[in-house]
Parts: sequence; structure tokens; C-alpha cells
Amino acid sequence: GQQVMQIPQYQHVQEGEDFTTYCNSSTTLSNIQWYKQRPGGHPVFLIQLVKSGEVKKQKRLTFQFGEAKKNSSLHITATQTTDVGTYFCAVTTSGTYKYIFGTGTRLKVLA
Amino acid sequence: GAGVSQSPSNKVTEKGKDVELRCDPISGHTALYWYRQSLGQGLEFLIYFQGNSAPDKSGLPSDRFSAERTGGSVSTLTIQRTQQEDSAVYLCASSLAGHRSVYNEQFFGPGTRLTVL
Repeated sequence: GQQVMQIPQYQHVQEGEDFTTYCNSSTTLSNIQWYKQRPGGHPVFLIQLVKSGEVKKQKRLTFQFGEAKKNSSLHITATQTTDVGTYFCAVTTSGTYKYIFGTGTRLKVLA
Repeated sequence: GAGVSQSPSNKVTEKGKDVELRCDPISGHTALYWYRQSLGQGLEFLIYFQGNSAPDKSGLPSDRFSAERTGGSVSTLTIQRTQQEDSAVYLCASSLAGHRSVYNEQFFGPGTRLTVL
């Protein structure tokens, strides 16, 4: 079956450092969504990518969809303590209804 | 407007009992998803509704799990003869349209924390 891996599993950074998480799929994707889940909270939608090679930016966050539509990355510039949480990718493939969530990357930002 | 609501927020039950979890999606959202999240883990897809029909039930772990949606709105997830491995947070999400649309940002409810003793 389809597998979605995120790396790294954990990341501790000093406030102000950059952070990147990668989402890798074994199959070609239809679209990919990114979510952030704060400790004790529920996932909150960040962005959706649908086009090969697409790059989208939200303030300090940059999202990229790979050319082959099998991987994606989320990059945070100059992390802040408010960035703490777990970042999940959620993917879907053509012909299916389900979203498969990645394993998540837990980010800790040290002040 | 109101977001996705779920009830109860917490449920403690004994092994073997049945439980019913409720989800109230955002008004007008046609798509509804149920997920399960164990402590410190990712989200596990359970079932997807488009309107009142469930075209994808492939994630339901066993025949003890069932779900329905009525009036294109409220959904209930029922777990019969609960087992300890059913303990998890059950999350419901709704979106304006189905997965084939660009308008399928998923809005999550706060979840129901189920503990089976």
C-alpha cells in the first residue's frame, strides 16, 4: 500500500534558525496538504499544493511540491517559539477519496 | 461561524461496551472525514462521506466500527464491543467540497478522547 514518510521525526532548533521537513511518497500524488498541530490541539490547515513544481509562500513558510509529484517540503525561515508543534503532510492520489497523513515532524524551538 | 464540534470530548468506557461518537460539521460542508490518532502518532484515516454516502470505508479497522451521516450534516461513529486497542483520540473533519475540488481544506474538530479500560 501507499506509504508516506516524513523526515526528520523530531527537530530541535534554536529560535532564529531555519527548519525544513520533507514528505516522501512511494506513489505519484494528486495533491498534498500541510497541517500544523500544536501540543494538545487539533490539526490546522496550512496550504494545499496541486501542481508539479509548485512553490507557495506564507510569510516565513515556504512550501514546495516536487517535479515528479512524489515529494514535498515545508521550510520555515527564522523560527519563532510560536512555530512549535507537529507538522503533517496529507496526500491523496488520483481515484481515491482518502487522505493519507504522514508520520509528522515534531518541532521544538528553544528560546 | 461555528467550527466543527464533536461530542463527547472525553469518553471512558469498559471493555466490551458500545460507544457512539458524534460530529457536527461546518454548515454547508459536503465532505466529512473521520480519523483516529493514538498518543504521539499520526492520523489514521477511517472513513469519508460525500453527502450522506460513504464511498470510502476502507479505513475502518474492523466490523465493530460503523459510521453514518444523516441529512448531509451530523455524523456518528459507533464502536461496538470496545477493546483496549480502540483507545485513541477520534477526530472529525469537514470540507466544503470533496477531494477532487480545490476547496477541500479540512477543518478539524477538537476530537473525542476515548479510553477503554
